[in-house]
Amino acid sequence: DTGVSQDPRHKITKRGQNVTFRCDPISEHNRLYWYRQTLGQGPEFLTYFQNEAQLEKSRLLSDRFSAERPKGSFSTLEIQRTEQGDSAMYLCASSLSQTDEQYFGPGTRLTVT
Amino acid sequence: SQQGEEDPQALSIQEGENATMNCSYKTSINNLQWYRQNSGRGLVHLILIRSNEREKHSGRLRVTLDTSKKSSSLLITASRAADTASYFCATDKGGKLIFGQGTELSVKP
Repeated sequence: DTGVSQDPRHKITKRGQNVTFRCDPISEHNRLYWYRQTLGQGPEFLTYFQNEAQLEKSRLLSDRFSAERPKGSFSTLEIQRTEQGDSAMYLCASSLSQTDEQYFGPGTRLTVT
Repeated sequence: SQQGEEDPQALSIQEGENATMNCSYKTSINNLQWYRQNSGRGLVHLILIRSNEREKHSGRLRVTLDTSKKSSSLLITASRAADTASYFCATDKGGKLIFGQGTELSVKP
């Protein structure tokens, strides 16, 4: 399967712990996006990359959040000192270019206890 | 903030009926995309319609776009129980997508 993959699919952590999620985009896609979705809401944009460059970060992305895409392929999203309000589904998407369809991965569901 | 607003928020129909969902947005767009999401899962891309297009078809799906009214509609014809899902419109804003809250469609067999 050559779609977008995310790992892990589920993560349960205690408040205050750090977590890291990984996203592997479709191989020829230059753009990679992170979104967050809470129950009953549509996804909200967090950040995106064009190759290895992080081009935009939402105000939702506090200082505890950091994302990287070191070689322009896979990306990681780290949340430090997790809070209960961080509990959500974290979605990754990729696209060939700015104006093309974005294809989403299955998401990582984070539960902070 | 969310730009797209779907209407209705929930829709329940019988198998075989058509389902229409509407989306309104606030600012100018490059394109508008429709996605489907089954409970607790990732989003599946359905259709992308560009700002210079008025209508697009894909199988049982028909999407229209009216840029003068800043609105779009998704029509699913001859619905099936498997179409039960949440449907989202998303407007493209400089590459990032701005989603609405979605329409929850229930198709009863």
